[in-house]
Parts: sequence; C-alpha cells; structure tokens
Amino acid sequence: DTAVSQTPKYLVTQMGNDKSIKCEQNLGHDTMYWYKQDSKKFLKIMFSYNNKELIINETVPNRFSPKSPDKAHLNLHINSLELGDSAVYFCASSQYHGGHNEQFFGPGTRLTVL
Amino acid sequence: GENVEQHPSTLSVQEGDSAVIKCTYSDSASNYFPWYKQELGKRPQLIIDIRSNVGEKKDQRIAVTLNKTAKHFSLHITETQPEDSAVYFCAAKSGNTPLVFGKGTRLSVIA
Repeated sequence: DTAVSQTPKYLVTQMGNDKSIKCEQNLGHDTMYWYKQDSKKFLKIMFSYNNKELIINETVPNRFSPKSPDKAHLNLHINSLELGDSAVYFCASSQYHGGHNEQFFGPGTRLTVL
Repeated sequence: GENVEQHPSTLSVQEGDSAVIKCTYSDSASNYFPWYKQELGKRPQLIIDIRSNVGEKKDQRIAVTLNKTAKHFSLHITETQPEDSAVYFCAAKSGNTPLVFGKGTRLSVIA
C-alpha cells in the first residue's frame, strides 16, 4: 500500500553512463515532481508534471529528461552522468498543481557517480 | 522568484525543552507555508502547514506562527522528545509557483 514508490533505492555508476530512476504513485494525484537533495540536504525542485504535461523545469541541464507515460508515473532519465549529479533524488506527488496541496515524497534514490 | 531563508541551521536542545525554527520569505504573494520533517535516511514528511489567512496553527506539541507583514513564519516544538530529532524544512509557495524550501534545520534532542 505504498503511496509513492521509487526504484532503485541505490544507484552506483561510472561517469559518462546513462541511468534511469522510476517513480509511481497510487494516490490518484494529478501532479508529480522530481527533487534533488544534495549533500548539504538542500531540497531543490527539478521538474513538475501535471496530468502528464511538463509544468515546471527549473533550469535543469538537458542531460536530465523526465518522462510521464501516464499521470501515475514519472521517470527520470539522466545522460552522460557527472560527478556533480551525485545526490538523493526524490519523487513526490500532490493532488493538484496549484494551491495548497500536501506533497507526498517517495523514499528517495541515492545516486553515486564515480 | 521566491527565496526562503531558514535559521538556525543546527539546533540542540535538552529533552523536554522547546525548540523554535524561524523562516523568512521574499515573495509577498506566497500564501502557503508547510513544514516538513526528514528523519535520517528517510523521506520528507509534512508535519504542519499554515495558510496566509491564519496567524497561528497548533497540533499537539507543534505550532506554527505566521507574520505576513514581516514575511516570516516559525515552527515551535514544545516538550521535545528524542524522536523529534530530525532535519526540519520550511517552505513557501503561491498559486502555481513551485514549492521553495529553506535549507533545513538539524534538530538534536539530547536525552
């Protein structure tokens, strides 16, 4: 009965590789997000999708490409991984895009680029 | 865009004492102010939120206050317990803008 799930939980890879992280929510929410949390714990939004459409792209390098096949899924593909991409990536969802909505976070994916 | 400042970055209190974390925001249009708690190795989880039409909100041992004129809001935890130890994030948003988080406060409750 997990609300927001992500896979994998840990990802260790070499510089230059391409990797994907998957996210699914079973809350029936319209909006999904990707956040990056760096080593100093700073949480920064990367993307927001509403009903499969990109709403927010916070000046993320185009090596990062989100894909939303349906409103319950938002995957993140990263090309040509760099050392600075090492972080914990959180997926989240909320009922609606605007207004006052609680965001429910997934368990996070710890990405380590060697 | 919105900018949220959070202080202090670390806070240590004795069990049973109170803890206060303060945040300021820059966008006067912001009208929603949630607080998230992140335990070590876990996901952030909402603990309390406040909307701009309310000055104070309480939920058991936690309370949040909002001063719209000064553009600051605070989290108050009373009778702290060891399980309150975590990183706490304030955040602010308005309308369709993204939620902007403060940099977090690491709270340690010493038994």
